[in-house]
Amino acid sequence: DIQMTQTPSSVSASVGDRVTITCRASQDLNSWLAWFQQKPGKAPKLLIYAASSLQSGVPSRFSGSGSGTDFTLTISSLQPEDCGNYYCQQGKSFPLTFGGGTKVEIK
Amino acid sequence: DVQLVESGGGLVQPGGSLTLSCAASGFTFSGSWMGWVRQAPGKGLEWVANIKEDGSEKYFVKSVKGRFTISRDNAKNSLSLQMNSLRAEDTAVYYCARYFVSGTYTFDYWGRGTLVTVSS
Repeated sequence: DIQMTQTPSSVSASVGDRVTITCRASQDLNSWLAWFQQKPGKAPKLLIYAASSLQSGVPSRFSGSGSGTDFTLTISSLQPEDCGNYYCQQGKSFPLTFGGGTKVEIK
Repeated sequence: DVQLVESGGGLVQPGGSLTLSCAASGFTFSGSWMGWVRQAPGKGLEWVANIKEDGSEKYFVKSVKGRFTISRDNAKNSLSLQMNSLRAEDTAVYYCARYFVSGTYTFDYWGRGTLVTVSS
């Protein structure tokens, strides 16, 4: 099984700050890596697919990069509505696996 | 608009059974892989099962193999998850989601979820 290690587990930043979340896979994923945002009591929302492609309707301040085993989600200018939990997910092989999550808070 | 609506959650005793359903609309259900993802209270996301467009391939997380069954009815645009021999650790919100395989291999549409509580 492919293990997904996501860091940090939580981050507190000010409005306008740049926030970076990292996901490391135990095996080469090519680029089959997605990022999700989840707010309390809501379903996850797809932000980025194929490592760097922005899902339709997602603000351009979100971006993804990386390939192989190391991937990054960047929020270029943190906004209050960006608070929530973020998860990476590998689509390279079954069983599909998610990272442990990162909680993003406003300082 | 795409809609995925789960139903069938509730309280069940350990060892019991429950069947979740997901009604899909707004996209070509028969041409889409589908899956279930769950989230235990206060925990992260865990993939549970996927099924191919025609039902010919099914995949499960190790912890539910032999206990859960995934199925679909393309004529009714419906997805099901039959859960047997339920354990306390199966307690979670269960989400139905479309698994888009054309260049993404991820879940692009999600339902709101249905809560399953396994407790005596």
